[in-house]
Amino acid sequence: EAGVVQSPRYKIIEKKQPVAFWCNPISGHNTLYWYLQNLGQGPELLIRYENEEAVDDSQLPKDRFSAERLKGVDSTLKIQPAELGDSAVYLCASSLEAGAYTQYFGPGTRLTVL
Amino acid sequence: DQQVKQNSPSLSVQEGRISILNCDYTNSMFDYFLWYKKYPAEGPTFLISISSIKDKNEDGRFTVFLNKSAKHLSLHIVPSQPGDSAVYFCAAADSGGSNYKLTFGKGTLLTVNP
Repeated sequence: EAGVVQSPRYKIIEKKQPVAFWCNPISGHNTLYWYLQNLGQGPELLIRYENEEAVDDSQLPKDRFSAERLKGVDSTLKIQPAELGDSAVYLCASSLEAGAYTQYFGPGTRLTVL
Repeated sequence: DQQVKQNSPSLSVQEGRISILNCDYTNSMFDYFLWYKKYPAEGPTFLISISSIKDKNEDGRFTVFLNKSAKHLSLHIVPSQPGDSAVYFCAAADSGGSNYKLTFGKGTLLTVNP
């Protein structure tokens, strides 16, 4: 069974530029999560999707971050414009359903903003 | 305010010995706990979990102990192997809530020396 796929794995951009990350969850997993992981910290939830619906986006900085999950499968997380403090690893995870606490993570996208 | 704390940033043990990783939590609503393992440049991988109705859960070389009164859990790895060298994250959830959110600690870097 294929795991969670993320691309790109690494991205280097200059501040004020836009950037987008893509995630393909495990087949059949209805719940998709985007996490932010800063250096030396644990993952922090940005947004959670149940199928196409964003059911928890309370931690998403909506002035510059946006996300979508069209057709309830793939998801894209966008930052526009990027700031120096956005340099981090962006992790995507999926679970079978909301009540399944076991989440399966992708390898992450390491973003560097110069 | 950090609700899940892993106070040891790092731990070094000899191959074949026991590794004990500790985790404390402050939110009394947390009743489901998970341990994840993370290798460099990879996403976290689920290791083992425990519900608050239990005080111990075992899976092969990995055992998690939960002390609800102390709000403390620990992960025991016996015997430790060099391949166990990774960052270990403790995560907690409130299964009675509707947000199904995992709160992670900062992680402990385990190094198993041959």
